[in-house]
Amino acid sequence: GNSVTQMEGPVTLSEEAFLTINCTYTATGYPSLFWYVQYPGEGLQLLLKATKADDKGSNKGFEATYRKETTSFHLEKGSVQVSDSAVYFCALPPDSGGYQKVTFGIGTKLQVIP
Amino acid sequence: DVKVTQSSRYLVKRTGEKVFLECVQDMDHENMFWYRQDPGLGLRLIYFSYDVKMKEKGDIPEGYSVSREKKERFSLILESASTNQTSMYLCASSLLGWEGGNSPLHFGNGTRLTVT
Repeated sequence: GNSVTQMEGPVTLSEEAFLTINCTYTATGYPSLFWYVQYPGEGLQLLLKATKADDKGSNKGFEATYRKETTSFHLEKGSVQVSDSAVYFCALPPDSGGYQKVTFGIGTKLQVIP
Repeated sequence: DVKVTQSSRYLVKRTGEKVFLECVQDMDHENMFWYRQDPGLGLRLIYFSYDVKMKEKGDIPEGYSVSREKKERFSLILESASTNQTSMYLCASSLLGWEGGNSPLHFGNGTRLTVT
């Protein structure tokens, strides 16, 4: 079955630092890939997605490139802000078997300090 | 924008009580889900529903049941609350189908339940 591996963290960075959160996955075929973000006190929301190999998803200064060779979808941002402090989840959509279950990574907590 | 509304942000219940968590979505989504979120364990799927009156067990259904009498509403029921059900509960919705599998989940803001 599908699986997603990401570091739990916490990751602590100073404002304006470069961010990388690693995500690797195991899946059949080439599914779409997602990053969700959960800000304090809120539910998850979609941050970005990529639907095929070599696609780059981007939003709010974050980027992630779908690398089928390394089965990875690492999240990057060139200059983080305090407002980026949140938990970030890498995710795979349901497989084609029809069971509507998204596979989430464990979530990486990011803390950005001024 | 899709809105998923969970009726309570915080609940405190006693062991043995019957607890209802309510979730309503306004975008006519077929799929609805209940997750719980715990530190170090990530998100775990409790139940989901792909249509009115339909339900499927997720990874951790024990101690829970669900009800979906209307398309927009999905309720999670703790028949007899226990302390190990203290957690953050998240409701989500999405479109149905394989194409829907490539559509994102839309989450509510969560209900933090404490069972004492």
